[in-house]
Amino acid sequence: ETVMTQSPATLSVSPGERGTLSCRASQSVGSNLAWYQQKPGQAPKLLIYGASTRATGIPARFSGSGSGTEFTLTISSLQSEDFAVYYCQQYNNWPPEVTFGPGTKVDIK
Amino acid sequence: QVQLVQSGAEVKKPGASVKVSCKASGYSFTSYYLHWVRQAPGQGLEWMGIINPSAGSTSYAQNFQGRLTMTRDTSTSTVYMELSSLRSEDTAVYFCGRGLTVFGVVTPILDSWGQGTVVAVSS
Repeated sequence: ETVMTQSPATLSVSPGERGTLSCRASQSVGSNLAWYQQKPGQAPKLLIYGASTRATGIPARFSGSGSGTEFTLTISSLQSEDFAVYYCQQYNNWPPEVTFGPGTKVDIK
Repeated sequence: QVQLVQSGAEVKKPGASVKVSCKASGYSFTSYYLHWVRQAPGQGLEWMGIINPSAGSTSYAQNFQGRLTMTRDTSTSTVYMELSSLRSEDTAVYFCGRGLTVFGVVTPILDSWGQGTVVAVSS
């Protein structure tokens, strides 16, 4: 099974600052990686898929990069509504394998 | 707009079964595969399986083989997830999600999600 790790576990950022989140795969997943945002008590929301393609309606301040085993989600200027938990998801060996990372919590510094 | 509306919270005893529904609206029900994902309290996300609403065919994650059944009712645009032989570790929020098709390929990228259904398993 492909194991996903995310770092840091918690990222403390001031509004307006840049946030950089990392996701690493235990083996290559190509560009088959997505990012989701989840706020407390809500369902996850798709941000990025194919490592770098923004989902419909996602602001340009969110960008994804990377391939193989190393991926990055960058939030160029954090807004108040961006403080949430972010998960990466690999789907390279789907079906049937789909695995999520443990998440990075972005909170207010 | 696309909406997935799930049934309400459930409390079950160990060994029982639970059946959660997910009613789709705002798009062609048979044109998109639907997935189920769960999230244990304070934990991450776990993919459970997928159903093709058109054909009714399914595929389940290895961890749930033998305990999980997904069905659909095209007359009401609703999919169902039934998990049997419940144990305390199955306590979680269960989400349905619509899967994207990218360049004609069915994927587990979920672009719309239900609100989640809490399932608590306790004696």
